[in-house]
Amino acid sequence: TQLLEQSPQFLSIQEGENLTVYCNSSSVFSSLQWYRQEPGEGPVLLVTVVTGGEVKKLKRLTFQFGDARKDSSLHITAAQTGDTGLYLCAGANKLSFGAGTTVTVRA
Amino acid sequence: GAGVSQSPSNKVTEKGKDVELRCDPISGHTALYWYRQRLGQGLEFLIYFQGNSAPDKSGLPSDRFSAERTGESVSTLTIQRTQQEDSAVYLCASSLVWGRVNTEAFFGQGTRLTVV
Repeated sequence: TQLLEQSPQFLSIQEGENLTVYCNSSSVFSSLQWYRQEPGEGPVLLVTVVTGGEVKKLKRLTFQFGDARKDSSLHITAAQTGDTGLYLCAGANKLSFGAGTTVTVRA
Repeated sequence: GAGVSQSPSNKVTEKGKDVELRCDPISGHTALYWYRQRLGQGLEFLIYFQGNSAPDKSGLPSDRFSAERTGESVSTLTIQRTQQEDSAVYLCASSLVWGRVNTEAFFGQGTRLTVV
């Protein structure tokens, strides 16, 4: 079983601040995905990272895949209240998820 | 349909009763996944289907849980003799294929199960 550990578990910040959440594993992944889940909804895909060392940007969100393809990070610049949600990483080959990071952005 | 559809959206059942949860995946999606999500927590993998075959049942919590899929369409998750610890949101997702690096999974809104 490929286990994904996410940290921190909870993050509460003020609007306009930056934040980073992490996804780590002892296993190598062919690719990792990041999803965001809002209350009462199912998760929605944000990005897939495939190549070791890859950096992808989605507006204010920056995703990085570690060189060894065992870890990934998500950085949000100038967070907005609309960024509030549960951020989940998943190993795309089996779609197994980490426990997630709950992000709360306060106005 | 346009998206993954789950029914019922809410289910309240008495302890000891059996429940059946339904998932209609996006048409043409060969892979289908079931997850359990307890309040404030992440997604616990239960089972996935490739077509109507379930190669990995390792996530099913106990023999009270079972799942079936008809061809490449609807799937049902059955929980027998429900316990209060089964209370959670059950999420279903589907994707075009299983195991490809760029496969995107699309989720339903879930079934909220409450065992009283």
